[in-house]
Amino acid sequence: DAKTTQPPSMDCAEGRAANLPCNHSTISGNEYVYWYRQIHSQGPQYIIHGLKNNETNEMASLIITEDRKSSTLILPHATLRDTAVYYCIVQEGAAGNKLTFGGGTRVLVKP
Amino acid sequence: DAGITQSPRHKVTETGTPVTLRCHQTENHRYMYWYRQDPGHGLRLIHYSYGVKDTDKGEVSDGYSVSRSKTEDFLLTLESATSSQTSVYFCAMRQALNNEQFFGPGTRLTVL
Repeated sequence: DAKTTQPPSMDCAEGRAANLPCNHSTISGNEYVYWYRQIHSQGPQYIIHGLKNNETNEMASLIITEDRKSSTLILPHATLRDTAVYYCIVQEGAAGNKLTFGGGTRVLVKP
Repeated sequence: DAGITQSPRHKVTETGTPVTLRCHQTENHRYMYWYRQDPGHGLRLIHYSYGVKDTDKGEVSDGYSVSRSKTEDFLLTLESATSSQTSVYFCAMRQALNNEQFFGPGTRLTVL
C-alpha cells in the first residue's frame, strides 16, 4: 500500500505558484520523499526528492516539515505544460529500489 | 527518453496467446523495472531486475515472467494472455546516483 496521502485534484492559475501537499505520517528515518509527475499517456518523470532538508532544482522546490510527516511540492510559476498527475512517494534511499505509486494529485493549470 | 525504449508500442492480441514486451536501455543501469498502469490508478510494480539474470517479483507478478540475459534488455512475458492483462506497461531504469527512475514511453496492450 502507498504510504502517502494526496488530494485527488487541484486547479492552479497559469503563472501562479502551485503548492501540492503530501502526508506521509508513517515515514521512517531512512526513507526519502520523491516526487514524480505523469503527463497524459507518457511515462512518469522524476521531479525532485529529499530526506529532511528543503530542496530546489530547476523544476520545483520541496519543503519537508521538521517532523517529516508531510511535505509540499512547489511549482513556482505554473505553466499549461505542468498539467499532469503528480505522485508523492516515500522510498528507502540507497537500499530501496521499488516505487509504490498511490493515486496522485491531478493538477490542472488554467489560463 | 533518457536512453530507454520499449517495443512494441501498441499490441492487440487474443486471449491465450503468449506475448513478450521488450525494454531496452543504453545507459548501462543495473536496475530495471516493469510496471502496469490501469485507468484511474497509479503504476503497480510487476517485476524488477537488479542485474543480469537477477530478478524478483513485485506486487502484481502473477501471470507474468521476466528475463534479463544482458544489461540492456529486460523482457516481460505473458505466457498466456488474459483480458485482465489489458493495460499500459511501462518499464524503467534506475540511476544509482540518486535513485531517480527513468521511464520508457509505455506499451499499450489489448487482450481480446
